[in-house]
Amino acid sequence: DQQVKQNSPSLSVQEGRISILNCDYTNSMFDYFLWYKKYPAEGPTFLISISSIKDKNEDGRFTVFLNKSAKHLSLHIVPSQPGDSAVYFCAAFDSGGGADGLTFGKGTHLIIQP
Amino acid sequence: AAGVIQSPRHLIKEKRETATLKCYPIPRHDTVYWYQQGPGQDPQFLISFYEKMQSDKGSIPDRFSAQQFSDYHSELNMSSLELGDSALYFCASSPGEGANYGYTFGSGTRLTVV
Repeated sequence: DQQVKQNSPSLSVQEGRISILNCDYTNSMFDYFLWYKKYPAEGPTFLISISSIKDKNEDGRFTVFLNKSAKHLSLHIVPSQPGDSAVYFCAAFDSGGGADGLTFGKGTHLIIQP
Repeated sequence: AAGVIQSPRHLIKEKRETATLKCYPIPRHDTVYWYQQGPGQDPQFLISFYEKMQSDKGSIPDRFSAQQFSDYHSELNMSSLELGDSALYFCASSPGEGANYGYTFGSGTRLTVV
């Protein structure tokens, strides 16, 4: 049972355009969400997070939007750059629960085309 | 800046052998998490430690054990290795319990069981 779903295994975007990566979750207890970027043979790198008390968080070219009623979040990257090509993982966390590990989605491979 | 150090980077073992993976967290980080990422899979939470005590368990097989030492480094011990244990094993550290403190991942140990 996949509690965090990234339904697009890959996404191709032209350089300079907006990249939108989507993530859905099923566990209503999740109240903290994170996006990680991963290059081959490296560990995931933290990008941006959002608490469930917010619906938007922005950091430079990266913006995360959270729609709690739809249990959906998205990561917007604008403008997209070649160095953004990587696998992006959405992760979720229940701060009030017993488990303090992250639950990851399966990732979306973002390819930025010149 | 200091990062999370994992050793070894690569490890090849035969079935039924034992492996020990090591993780050195960022200085002053007291919480360590272990994740397993199989080929084409999302990272799965295995186990975590806070202040040298086991904090929570995820999908860690009984053949695996782990501990956190007085210097906060952690070791993941894997016995009776199976082919299916071949994966990337990531360690992450944070300055407190919970994802909202921010995780920093190491580069991982690639374990290949033959």
